[in-house]
Amino acid sequence: LAKTTQPISMDSYEGQEVNITCSHNNIATNDYITWYQQFPSQGPRFIIQGYKTKVTNEVASLFIPADRKSSTLSLPRVSLSDTAVYYCSNSGYSTLTFGKGTMLLVSP
Amino acid sequence: SQTIHQWPATLVQPVGSPLSLECTVEGTSNPNLYWYRQAAGRGLQLLFYSVGIGQISSEVPQNLSASRPQDRQFILSSKKLLLSDSGFYLCAWRPGRTAEAFFGQGTRLTVV
Repeated sequence: LAKTTQPISMDSYEGQEVNITCSHNNIATNDYITWYQQFPSQGPRFIIQGYKTKVTNEVASLFIPADRKSSTLSLPRVSLSDTAVYYCSNSGYSTLTFGKGTMLLVSP
Repeated sequence: SQTIHQWPATLVQPVGSPLSLECTVEGTSNPNLYWYRQAAGRGLQLLFYSVGIGQISSEVPQNLSASRPQDRQFILSSKKLLLSDSGFYLCAWRPGRTAEAFFGQGTRLTVV
C-alpha cells in the first residue's frame, strides 16, 4: 500500500502560520490527498482534500505540486485549540491509508 | 443525517479471551467501512476495509478478523486476544473515494 511520511512533531505560537508537509512517494494516479485532525481519545476529523494544485476552505489551505509526491497543509494564524495530531492520507477508491501523523503544539 | 456508532468505548479483556467490536452507520447505504488500530502514541494502522456486504480486505496479517453481515454493520473480532492487541480501535465510513471519512469515537482496548 502507498505510504505517507510526515514530521513527527512541530511547535508554533499563537497567531503564526503553520505549514506541515507530507511525502506521498507511492501515491496512485487516482488517489486523492486528504488531511485529518485528531484530538486525544477521539476519532480523526476531516480538514481538507485535493488532487492537484491548491485548495482552500474556511480552516486551511492545501498545496499539491504537479508531481503529487508531496503536499503541504497550511494553517493560518493557529490558536491553542489547534494543538492536535495532523494526518495526511492517500484516499483511494476503496483504501484510506494514513501516516504516523504530526503532533502540532501551539504555545501562547 | 449520517451517524456512526461504535461500542464499547472502553474494554479490558484477559489474554486469550475473545473479542467483538461493533460499528454501525445510519443514514446512508453501501458505505465503505474501515477498521483502524492506533497503538500507544499515534499512527493509524488500517486493519480491514469493506466495500460491500461480505467483502472484506485485510491489510495486515494478525490475530484479528472482520465481518460485514449487513450493509451498515462492521464487526471486528478475535478468537484469542494477545497483549499486543491492546490499542485504540477506530471504525470509519465514507460514501466514496472522493469523500471525507467519518470516524467513530473509538474503543480503548486493554488486554491484561
